Amino acid sequence: DAKTTQPNSMESNEEEPVHLPCNHSTISGTDYIHWYRQLPSQGPEYVIHGLTSNVNNRMASLAIAEDRKSSTLILHRATLRDAAVYYCILITQGGSEKLVFGKGTKLTVNP
Amino acid sequence: SAVISQKPSRDICQRGTSLTIQCQVDSQVTMMFWYRQQPGQSLTLIATANQGSEATYESGFVIDKFPISRPNLTFSTLTVSNMSPEDSSIYLCSVMGRRWEKLFFGSGTQLSVL
Repeated sequence: DAKTTQPNSMESNEEEPVHLPCNHSTISGTDYIHWYRQLPSQGPEYVIHGLTSNVNNRMASLAIAEDRKSSTLILHRATLRDAAVYYCILITQGGSEKLVFGKGTKLTVNP
Repeated sequence: SAVISQKPSRDICQRGTSLTIQCQVDSQVTMMFWYRQQPGQSLTLIATANQGSEATYESGFVIDKFPISRPNLTFSTLTVSNMSPEDSSIYLCSVMGRRWEKLFFGSGTQLSVL
């Protein structure tokens, strides 16, 4: 079973910030929080990941709750190319646990 | 990083036949994963393939139906055997980077079974 829960869909306007939430209440101390996105007709691609501290990269920011039971992917200025399904998954670094994807959030960006 | 070449990108097959999907990685990786994605759905893990050992299958997937080979650290195949229309789906391979920093995915194989 997926260890994360996300809203099925979200909608945003172009050039506005988007906050995509993810709940992972059963997270363990060695689980990293990863985000991937899947554009239409493509395989998923890596967006960002973190353990405890907030993270920034050229694509997005990741805000992690202090208790690590939830996180938020932040797209600072949504573009039409950001329309995709976003998946939040937990990965134990160096572990052998199966990598199970939840249902993800389908993001629609309006022009 | 890792670049994955997955072949074929799509195929249309007849009921009862088999299709082998190939996944080639440009660097050595320990763990490879095979997923199935039905239209409009999330990814479902089929199996985990480590070099030198038998693949580990998830509940609902069996080796006779989805045999996997992993002859070396850069290559794996998934065969969809004795296909039926219910096997029509996208099949994706994925690898974990050597430092477990991120997952990399192939572009997928879109399979249609008539």
